[in-house]
Amino acid sequence: GIQVEQSPPDLILQEGANSTLRCNFSDSVNNLQWFHQNPWGQLINLFYIPSGTKQNGRLSATTVATERYSLLYISSSQTTDSGVYFCAGDSNDYKLSFGAGTTVTVRA
Amino acid sequence: DADVTQTPRNRITKTGKRIMLECSQTKGHDRMYWYRQDPGLGLQLIYYSFDVKDINKGEISDGYSVSRQAQAKFSLSLESAIPNQTALYFCATSDPAGEDTQYFGPGTRLTVL
Repeated sequence: GIQVEQSPPDLILQEGANSTLRCNFSDSVNNLQWFHQNPWGQLINLFYIPSGTKQNGRLSATTVATERYSLLYISSSQTTDSGVYFCAGDSNDYKLSFGAGTTVTVRA
Repeated sequence: DADVTQTPRNRITKTGKRIMLECSQTKGHDRMYWYRQDPGLGLQLIYYSFDVKDINKGEISDGYSVSRQAQAKFSLSLESAIPNQTALYFCATSDPAGEDTQYFGPGTRLTVL
């Protein structure tokens, strides 16, 4: 399957700060998705974004499929944004490969 | 009510025991998946099913089996549990008619002693 590299592995933010998370893929990727795992373990889908840009409130994501990377932007971070952010994609075989995640801690 | 439910939510068992984890969904999706998550790592695909008659191995299927009893139900079994199967297990569903976004259940925390 596809190799997925996420950076940075850890991020500590002061409430109100902005940040960018990055996801690189080893090969062309389909069905690219971003997820948030909250401190209680629940996984929530944030974006389905195989290409282009999407925005949802304070979060937005951009995927440049030709260069095999995706970015997740968090603006005006809040403590509720804490958790682990995962990106995942497949090589058109419907087997999602996940990155190791970026752990985000937002301090009040 | 949650769209994707998993039972049990927590389970402690002993080496060699047979364990079944169950997943039910009310989303009407044909596709269902089982993943495992080890501490500090991403998710790894165990098995996936695109409809009741279609079962496929993922990247780490050894030691596991599955059963798709109905469109809404997908069970994962550990035939003879071993300690390195201690992990958080997630069930997920998706709808290829839509964006194929995956929706996850709350997870089952399994400890094998």
